[in-house]
Amino acid sequence: DAKTTQPTSMDCAEGRAANLPCNHSTISGNEYVYWYRQIHSQGPQYIIHGLKNNETNEMASLIITEDRKSSTLILPHATLRDTAVYYCIVRPPDGFNKFYFGSGTKLNVKP
Amino acid sequence: EPEVTQTPSHQVTQMGQEVILRCVPISNHLYFYWYRQILGQKVEFLVSFYNNEISEKSEIFDDQFSVERPDGSNFTLKIRSTKLEDSAMYFCASGDRSTNQPQHFGDGTRLSIL
Repeated sequence: DAKTTQPTSMDCAEGRAANLPCNHSTISGNEYVYWYRQIHSQGPQYIIHGLKNNETNEMASLIITEDRKSSTLILPHATLRDTAVYYCIVRPPDGFNKFYFGSGTKLNVKP
Repeated sequence: EPEVTQTPSHQVTQMGQEVILRCVPISNHLYFYWYRQILGQKVEFLVSFYNNEISEKSEIFDDQFSVERPDGSNFTLKIRSTKLEDSAMYFCASGDRSTNQPQHFGDGTRLSIL
């Protein structure tokens, strides 16, 4: 059941920041926002997650709007290896709950 | 960094045969999952497993499928009487005791039914 909306594809120049948007206007108060990516047919790779504060790790930054209805994943210096499908997923904090993978955003990093 | 490992990476089986896909989750994780991805389609949830029992399963996960944690380290998916449409990538995932923590995925087993 899709709870997020993402653009189908985006282009980014190598070395520039890639900003991937996600709308989740029906997000509930206890649902976290997770970002994963899938490079070719490999397993989904966890990137980052957050509840309401902005988060940063060695891979990316996650900016969540104050009303929590949208978020942006930022790859600060995109490389060709960042070409992948990026998935934004919302999920309550219950370990049982599955991740629902929509169609995601295909990010094409170009030289 | 610990990772989820899956074997084999590619399995080719005749239609009607049984297959067992194997996964070694991250060692301190308590929640285990199987997903599948038919070529060109979305990643679909199959089943979640916690405390030695299924906690949730999708409509796809019918009597043809079963899961087991036969020992303290392995998590298996058995598919009986395989059909052509079972051809897909099968991904195992695991998560730890902190409920908001992410699931970590293996690189999958490509199952080809002939």
